[in-house]
Amino acid sequence: GAVVSQHPSWVICKSGTSVKIECRSLDFQATTMFWYRQFPKQSLMLMATSNEGSKATYEQGVEKDKFLINHASLTLSTLTVTSAHPEDSSFYICSARGSGGIDTQYFGPGTRLTVL
Amino acid sequence: AQSVTQPDIHITVSEGASLELRCNYSYGATPYLFWYVQSPGQGLQLLLKYFSGDTLVQGIKGFEAEFKRSQSSFNLRKPSVHWSDAAEYFCAVDSGNTGNLIFGQGTTLQVKP
Repeated sequence: GAVVSQHPSWVICKSGTSVKIECRSLDFQATTMFWYRQFPKQSLMLMATSNEGSKATYEQGVEKDKFLINHASLTLSTLTVTSAHPEDSSFYICSARGSGGIDTQYFGPGTRLTVL
Repeated sequence: AQSVTQPDIHITVSEGASLELRCNYSYGATPYLFWYVQSPGQGLQLLLKYFSGDTLVQGIKGFEAEFKRSQSSFNLRKPSVHWSDAAEYFCAVDSGNTGNLIFGQGTTLQVKP
């Protein structure tokens, strides 16, 4: 089946620094990518949806200036957490969707972010 | 607004016993329905999905789920649980084939030897 990768798988950073997380679709072209955040023992919450070449659409309550999303190509989307703080520590999961719609949507393995 | 409820936060079953994880959704029409499994520190793996047609769907790892419109439910079942099934299970819906999945709170499955 299709594979979606995320890099890094985990990252630890100091408060105030920025962290970039990559999401790649390895064997298909992802017209849409979704970014989710999952706090410990909780469910996944959608942060934003991005279409290749367009600005991302953010969910209510998600700061677009803090969580910068770039979907520059059909195989790569990046999430940059700017000026990270301890409360941003979370598990970030991306999902990539191909032209086949919901039948071609796959999740990445996630990135564990810890902000000290 | 659409919502998904998984009433059981934590379930413990003995290895070899049967399993049923409950999922109820709130939506005016029939949504696309999914069950995912997440092992500790891992991403999500799709177990099965329902779009239309036969209301009993078969998935991977011996799982199945039944869509019941009258009950707005999509419960996950497995006849005989294995220790490796211990994980977090999420039910999800996509109301309009948008790819925007709404997840339930998750059910943690513990398997006793």
